[in-house]
Amino acid sequence: EVQLVESGGGLVLPGGSLRLSCLTYRFMFGNYWMSWVRQAPGKGLEWVATINLDGSEKYYVDSVKGRFTVSRDNANNSLYLQMNGLRAGDTAIYYCARDSRSQAWSSDFWGQGTLVTVSS
Amino acid sequence: DIQMTQSPSSLSASVGDSVTITCRTSQTVSTSLNWYQQRPGRAPRLLIFATSTLQRGVPSRFSGGGFGANFILTISSLQPEDSAIYYCQQTYSPTRTFGQGTNVEIK
Repeated sequence: EVQLVESGGGLVLPGGSLRLSCLTYRFMFGNYWMSWVRQAPGKGLEWVATINLDGSEKYYVDSVKGRFTVSRDNANNSLYLQMNGLRAGDTAIYYCARDSRSQAWSSDFWGQGTLVTVSS
Repeated sequence: DIQMTQSPSSLSASVGDSVTITCRTSQTVSTSLNWYQQRPGRAPRLLIFATSTLQRGVPSRFSGGGFGANFILTISSLQPEDSAIYYCQQTYSPTRTFGQGTNVEIK
């Protein structure tokens, strides 16, 4: 069965950096657009970023533009999110998700999430 | 960016009831509207894509409809395991957005 496993979360000081990884299994990673979605404690889902098949197109929510960078390594079936200039408002569980072009670009598989806490 | 408005923000209903959640978008999204279920402590789960198509494995008591800027999710014959938060999402724009969620509670 398709699996996505996030890692790299943790506690970081305001202004600090963190790199999240999402390792994927049992599907042709290079054939799918991928996304990051986050959820602040007790809050709803917020789309963060999406990357196309070869990484040539990237889209971001306004609040992270210029600070976060999404990337991928198709040879290693991995998705990344480099987060710089972290703020308290970035505290959240970060999920990676597979986007299905044939299903209206919906996210049909999700990881379990990794928690990022930005605090002094 | 396309704004999403879900209503109600929460509802409480009994087992066997039918409930409907509404999602409105600030501009037309054609049929590029998806619904997700999130149970406490779990990752979201895709229920419906392209407004009305059930994801594989989702019970048929879930249904979706609408077009343009007005959409609904209906759960007929509510079951205890349907207690969760439900989110709509537009994927018409590459900068996707989610609704704020509807908390469905079982009485």
